[in-house]
Amino acid sequence: DAMVIQNPRYQVTQFGKPVTLSCSQTLNHNVMYWYQQKSSQAPKLLFHYYDKDFNNEADTPDNFQSRRPNTSFCFLDIRSPGLGDAAMYLCATSRALGQYNEQFFGPGTRLTVL
Amino acid sequence: AQKVTQAQTEISVVEKEDVTLDCVYETRDTTYYLFWYKQPPSGELVFLIRRNSFDEQNEISGRYSWNFQKSTSSFNFTITASQVVDSAVYFCALSAVTGRRALTFGSGTRLQVQP
Repeated sequence: DAMVIQNPRYQVTQFGKPVTLSCSQTLNHNVMYWYQQKSSQAPKLLFHYYDKDFNNEADTPDNFQSRRPNTSFCFLDIRSPGLGDAAMYLCATSRALGQYNEQFFGPGTRLTVL
Repeated sequence: AQKVTQAQTEISVVEKEDVTLDCVYETRDTTYYLFWYKQPPSGELVFLIRRNSFDEQNEISGRYSWNFQKSTSSFNFTITASQVVDSAVYFCALSAVTGRRALTFGSGTRLQVQP
């Protein structure tokens, strides 16, 4: 089945130790998004890629970076995780053609920072 | 700027009751999309519906129905004869049709359906 896959599902890192979260998709969608969702809050968009074009949200900290080496994969790098970065990180994709704006989400990676 | 408000933080009902989740939005766009997503305890956001702003027809899908009222900027979601499996957090969201198409989410409504 076509889908959005996130690995790992659970990630534990230490304060200040760089961590990378992975997302892949088999939908061949043009757009890939990264959202941060803290406990009992709505998902908050960090950035997105439209093909290779990177679009950062204005309030996304510099500590968060992203890479998209090809259509299928997108990575979220947290350079120096702080305790406040503990959250669920959701990857999503959309076709982004005309009205096809529906976003498909992966299962998320829950990040714990010790 | 876009904003989505889900005033109900948490709702608890008994199985087989009907329940309506409210969603009110603000946008300056004349054309936009509205969405509902379900987030079960497993964490994955599950797409339920997308609505174009120019289509105010209500929609029914099984036990789910949606009432879109452009005049009051509301897009409410009703579950008929609720079931325990409906227990989840439900998010209403809004996006533009062109330009920045990222979703603006409401804060979510946690629905607990008791057996």
